[in-house]
Amino acid sequence: DAKTTQPTSMDCAEGRAANLPCNHSTISGNEYVYWYRQIHSQGPQYIIHGLKNNETNEMASLIITEDRKSSTLILPHATLRDTAVYYCIVRVNAGNNRKLIWGLGTSLAVNP
Amino acid sequence: GAVVSQHPSWVICKSGTSVKIECRSLDFQATTMFWYRQFPKQSLMLMATSNEGSKATYEQGVEKDKFLINHASLTLSTLTVTSAHPEDSSFYICSARVQEGVRDTQYFGPGTRLTVL
Repeated sequence: DAKTTQPTSMDCAEGRAANLPCNHSTISGNEYVYWYRQIHSQGPQYIIHGLKNNETNEMASLIITEDRKSSTLILPHATLRDTAVYYCIVRVNAGNNRKLIWGLGTSLAVNP
Repeated sequence: GAVVSQHPSWVICKSGTSVKIECRSLDFQATTMFWYRQFPKQSLMLMATSNEGSKATYEQGVEKDKFLINHASLTLSTLTVTSAHPEDSSFYICSARVQEGVRDTQYFGPGTRLTVL
């Protein structure tokens, strides 16, 4: 089962920042937090991941709380093309296979 | 970089036939690839983990004799749905694992829509 909790859906105005929260209260010390998104009928797209420090790349920023029990994905200037389902995943160590366990994600609607 | 392709993008077949789906890492080598299935309005369900040169590891409840996985090279894994039935109709997605130091990420293909009549 997925070890994360995300809101089912969120709305955001085009051009504004989208802040997507995720709770992972049972995360262990060596587990990373990954964010992916899936646009309708496409394969998921990797966004960003982190362990305990905040991370930023060309797509988004990831803010992880000091206790690591929650995180927030920030899309600084949301566009209509950012409308997608966003998945927050804690990577499970399963031998060398490092499975990703997927929850239902947050359906983000960016509105004009 | 880190592009994964799948072929075909969609397929329609008759019940009882077999369908092969290819997953390729185009600009990197992947010792590990993953196969997922996604039903409408549901999340991705991991079916199996494919390791180059060895047998795939199947998730609980996934029939290994029905979903044949072959990972014969570092850039290609195939999933064959044998004796397909309408309940096998789904969106099949593969991913390939990239490991570079502490970076350990999966990159996904665009998916294959299978419809079994």
